[in-house]
Amino acid sequence: QVQLVESGGGVVQPGTSLRLSCAASGFSFSDYDMHWVRQAPGKGLEWVAVIWYDGNNKYYAESVKGRFTISRDKSTNTLHLQIHSLRAEDTAVYFCARDRTSDGTLPLDSWGQGTLVTVSS
Amino acid sequence: DTQLTQSPSSLSASVGDRVTITCRASQDIDTYLNWYQQKPGKAPKLLLSGASNLETGVPSRFSGGGSGTLFTLTISSLQPEDFATYYCQQYDNLLFTFGPGTTVDVK
Repeated sequence: QVQLVESGGGVVQPGTSLRLSCAASGFSFSDYDMHWVRQAPGKGLEWVAVIWYDGNNKYYAESVKGRFTISRDKSTNTLHLQIHSLRAEDTAVYFCARDRTSDGTLPLDSWGQGTLVTVSS
Repeated sequence: DTQLTQSPSSLSASVGDRVTITCRASQDIDTYLNWYQQKPGKAPKLLLSGASNLETGVPSRFSGGGSGTLFTLTISSLQPEDFATYYCQQYDNLLFTFGPGTTVDVK
């Protein structure tokens, strides 16, 4: 079965960097676009970024453009999110998700359990 | 960029009630609209895609409709496990957006 397991979260100081990872299994990783979605404590879902199945295209929410970098490693079936210059407002649970690339509406049909990033001095 | 609004932001209902949540897009998105359910401390779960296509395994009491700028999610007879927050989400011009969510709680 499809499994997505995030890691790399924790308590970090403002201005530092962090790399989140998402280990994928149970499906052909190279066939699917992958996303990061975050949720600040008590708030709604915010889409962060997507990387296409082949890694050739990446798109970001305006709120994170320039500080976040999404990448993928097909040799290890792992999705990454590099975050630079962390701010208090980046505090959130970060979910990785797979979209149903064959479906024109690109629904996010599988999600990980999330990893919590807390930015605090 | 396309923005999504949801109404109401929260509602209180009883088991057996019919519940309808509305999602409005700031521009025409055809049927590029998906619905998710999220329970506290859990990842979101996809309920419907393409505005009205029910995911495998999702109970038939859930239904969706609409196109263009106005969409609805209806729960025909609310069950105890349906108390949760519901989000619409759209894909447009290579970007994705979630609505602000609607929380359904116990009356």
